[in-house]
Amino acid sequence: EAQVTQNPRYLITVTGKKLTVTCSQNMNHEYMSWYRQDPGLGLRQIYYSMNVEVTDKGDVPEGYKVSRKEKRNFPLILESPSPNQTSLYFCASSVSASSTDTQYFGPGTRLTVL
Amino acid sequence: AQKVTQAQTEISVVEKEDVTLDCVYETRDTTYYLFWYKQPPSGELVFLIRRNSFDEQNEISGRYSWNFQKSTSSFNFTITASQVVDSAVYFCALSEAVYNQGGKLIFGQGTELSVKP
Repeated sequence: EAQVTQNPRYLITVTGKKLTVTCSQNMNHEYMSWYRQDPGLGLRQIYYSMNVEVTDKGDVPEGYKVSRKEKRNFPLILESPSPNQTSLYFCASSVSASSTDTQYFGPGTRLTVL
Repeated sequence: AQKVTQAQTEISVVEKEDVTLDCVYETRDTTYYLFWYKQPPSGELVFLIRRNSFDEQNEISGRYSWNFQKSTSSFNFTITASQVVDSAVYFCALSEAVYNQGGKLIFGQGTELSVKP
């Protein structure tokens, strides 16, 4: 089944404790991205990747890192999480970065930083 | 500047009522794409539809229909004969072709639809 998977689905952590949220897709998509969803703000793009080893900042990249060493995986790294990073995170992928391609989203990761 | 506005934060209807979710967008691009996504209580985002800026034909899919009007920069979504399973948050989103930042989707704030039995 074609899908985008994220782990963990739920995470409660404390300020400053490094964490990684994994994202994997099995559709051989070139383009992957991370969004965060906050009440009243919709979803905002954090980082994106056009292909392996090619990543760039989205609208809200502060406090986050990403890597794209393999085509299928695009982990989101929070080196020193803070309470303002409490949010619902979505990974998405599409065939390419073209605006004609539909992005498919993972199930979401709900992160709470205390 | 690109922007998507969903002015209705919450809508509550009774089952079998028709309901329209509004979406107004701003873009400097002449080629762009509009999307609707559904987020049920379980939290995942489900793709519903994609329209390009050159195709203003209305689309119908079962009880769902979409009205795209470039003149008013709107892409409204209507659910006919709503059902309890339609209860969800619905997001409208924009993707620009020329000024696009690597395939980024610009989302509206979302409209929470509650359909009561």
